[in-house]
Amino acid sequence: QVQLVESGGGVVQPGRSLRLSCAASGFTFSSYGMHWVRQAPGKGLEWVAVIWYDGSNTYYADSVKGRFTISRDNSKNTVYLQMNSLRADDTAVYYCARDLYGSADYWGQGTLVTVSS
Amino acid sequence: DVVMTQSPLSLPVTLGQPASISCRSSQSLVYSDGNIYLNWFQQRPGQSPRRLIYKVSNRDSGVPDRFSGSGSGTDFTLQISRVEAEDVGMYYCMQGTHWPYTFGQGTKLEIK
Repeated sequence: QVQLVESGGGVVQPGRSLRLSCAASGFTFSSYGMHWVRQAPGKGLEWVAVIWYDGSNTYYADSVKGRFTISRDNSKNTVYLQMNSLRADDTAVYYCARDLYGSADYWGQGTLVTVSS
Repeated sequence: DVVMTQSPLSLPVTLGQPASISCRSSQSLVYSDGNIYLNWFQQRPGQSPRRLIYKVSNRDSGVPDRFSGSGSGTDFTLQISRVEAEDVGMYYCMQGTHWPYTFGQGTKLEIK
C-alpha cells in the first residue's frame, strides 16, 4: 500500500534553514509528481510546492518562492523540501502528498516545523 | 492566483440529515484538456487530509456513497446524503487546474 513518511521537522530559529524529507513506498515513485502542503496551527491547508515525476519542473506558492526548494531523488524514493530564511509564519505541519490528475491522492502523516527564537 | 471560496464555514448538522458545502472559484477550472480538476478533502480531528472526490464528481475508493460531488465552471458542491458521526471534521475544496494549486478556507462540519 502507498506510504508517505515525512521527517526532519523540529524547532528552528528565525532566519535559519531546515530540510524536510518524505520517504515513499508502495508505488513506482519515479512515475509520480509530489507535493508539499502545509497547515499552520488551527488554520487551513496551504499548497507549498510540487515537483514533476522526473524533477524536470517545479512550482511554488508565492509565500515561499525564493526561500524554499523542492527536489527529489528517485533512486531513494524520497522528496525533499529545503527551507531557508525561515520566518515565524512558516510554522506549520508540513505534509507531502502524491500528485495525480491535478490532485493529491495520498498524504503522509505530516511533520511539525516550529520557527521560534 | 485562483481564489477558492467555501460556504458555509461552519455547518452544524443533525445525524441522519443531509449536508451541502459550496465551493466557488474566481475563474473557470476547465483545463485545456476539457477536464475540471476540482477536488474535495476531508480532515478528521488530529488526522491528515484524505481525498474524497476528484475531478468534480469521482469518488475515491473506500469513500461511502453518501458523499457526492457536482458542479461545473466555477461553482461546485459537496453533498452528504445522511450525515454520520464519523463525518465530523473539516472539508476543503482544492483546484488543480491552475498553478499554484489553491484550497478553500475549509468548512467545519459538526453534529448539532
